[in-house]
Amino acid sequence: QSALTQPASVSGSPGQSITISCTGTSGDVGGYNYVSWYQHHPGKAPKLIIYDVSNRPSGVSTRFSGSKSGTVASLTISGLQAEDEADYYCNSYTSDFTVVFGGGTKLTVL
Amino acid sequence: QLQLQESGPGLVKPSETLSLTCTVSDDSISTGAYYWGWIRQPPGKGLEWIGNIYYTGSTYYNPSLKSRLTISVDTSKNQFFLRLSSVTAADTAIYYCARGGGYFTTMHTLEYWAQGTLVTV
Repeated sequence: QSALTQPASVSGSPGQSITISCTGTSGDVGGYNYVSWYQHHPGKAPKLIIYDVSNRPSGVSTRFSGSKSGTVASLTISGLQAEDEADYYCNSYTSDFTVVFGGGTKLTVL
Repeated sequence: QLQLQESGPGLVKPSETLSLTCTVSDDSISTGAYYWGWIRQPPGKGLEWIGNIYYTGSTYYNPSLKSRLTISVDTSKNQFFLRLSSVTAADTAIYYCARGGGYFTTMHTLEYWAQGTLVTV
């Protein structure tokens, strides 16, 4: 079971948009529309921000959006704000009846 | 608002068994509407899925931990449990319990999380 691949870091200026990729295989990301994304501020519990590739839980800002093409899922954050600076993780259900996380991406708001 | 709370020793000796309890604030474990999971984060590293359980006792484990791992549930107490045997320093991490989705294909959709507890080996 290999971790999903995410860039180690991304950065953007306030107001800009950024995209974080999450690359898997046909046995996880590519095989199901069951990718979730989490925002994690150090010292706090992770927060679910996207589920089932592109759905937002109630209360999550519309600035967060998700998509998928083949074996690559993506999280886009538009109108970057200072409070968006955090670690972001994707995860997916897999064909082995398991769950796999991405390695995480550190977002820096410049 | 659903709340989850982990409890257990913060320090475990090498080769011993790490044991944690997650207490859920309502009776949603016994209603069978959700899957329940454990996740950990070693210092300076990313999140790692440990495993999930359903109220029936059906379990799903990370293959890399399976030989040392037991996750169980007590629906009468609204609790589920983690036991990891033969621990080493590599098992030092913040351990989280969380609520997953309503189907095994969505057990990875972790909407409610506990605050996390640091366990040092």
